[in-house]
Amino acid sequence: NAGVTQTPKFQVLKTGQSMTLQCAQDMNHEYMSWYRQDPGMGLRLIHYSVGAGITDQGEVPNGYNVSRSTTEDFPLRLLSAAPSQTSVYFCASGDLADLAKNIQYFGAGTRLSVL
Amino acid sequence: DAKTTQPNSMESNEEEPVHLPCNHSTISGTDYIHWYRQLPSQGPEYVIHGLTSNVNNRMASLAIAEDRKSSTLILHRATLRDAAVYYCILLPYYGGSQGNLIFGKGTKLSVKP
Repeated sequence: NAGVTQTPKFQVLKTGQSMTLQCAQDMNHEYMSWYRQDPGMGLRLIHYSVGAGITDQGEVPNGYNVSRSTTEDFPLRLLSAAPSQTSVYFCASGDLADLAKNIQYFGAGTRLSVL
Repeated sequence: DAKTTQPNSMESNEEEPVHLPCNHSTISGTDYIHWYRQLPSQGPEYVIHGLTSNVNNRMASLAIAEDRKSSTLILHRATLRDAAVYYCILLPYYGGSQGNLIFGKGTKLSVKP
């Protein structure tokens, strides 16, 4: 049972570099989202998607781009990394078909350092 | 979004019950009460959720006050593996952003052997 898979697990970038954090789920979930978690803090929503071709901004979208070309994948792009983007990033997915459940599944996270 | 209030930290002894409180005085009639937990160095995981009635599953029980302004997550026998940050989150069951979990700081539960 793969669930939500995030790659890479760790990444170090230099300021100004770009990279894509990958997220894939094999549960056919319509809903996917990206969060960041800074030390000692709760998770903050970056972007989310309710289906292929549909994305929207969360609480902290600046500096990040997303697209959703397939149901399975929801990559997060950092176009020009900044030290303020040093964080742990979590991807999640959920089944919107059953609104009464709305259980979401999280990946193991990507730990990103921007120097 | 309706907000929740939780204690910053709690401590428990292993194999004893733990009651984790959550206040949500501005809850609306369409909000479900969800609990997630985050073990150290892991992503959050779903624990339990409910609307009005008390709920039980293999992980925990959820007791919801009659006026729904507070709830309590009950771990019946805490184990060392239950040491985690526990988040109480309100989710409306309709609307375009119904999937968005809004995390607070949660309650950090420590379990002593």
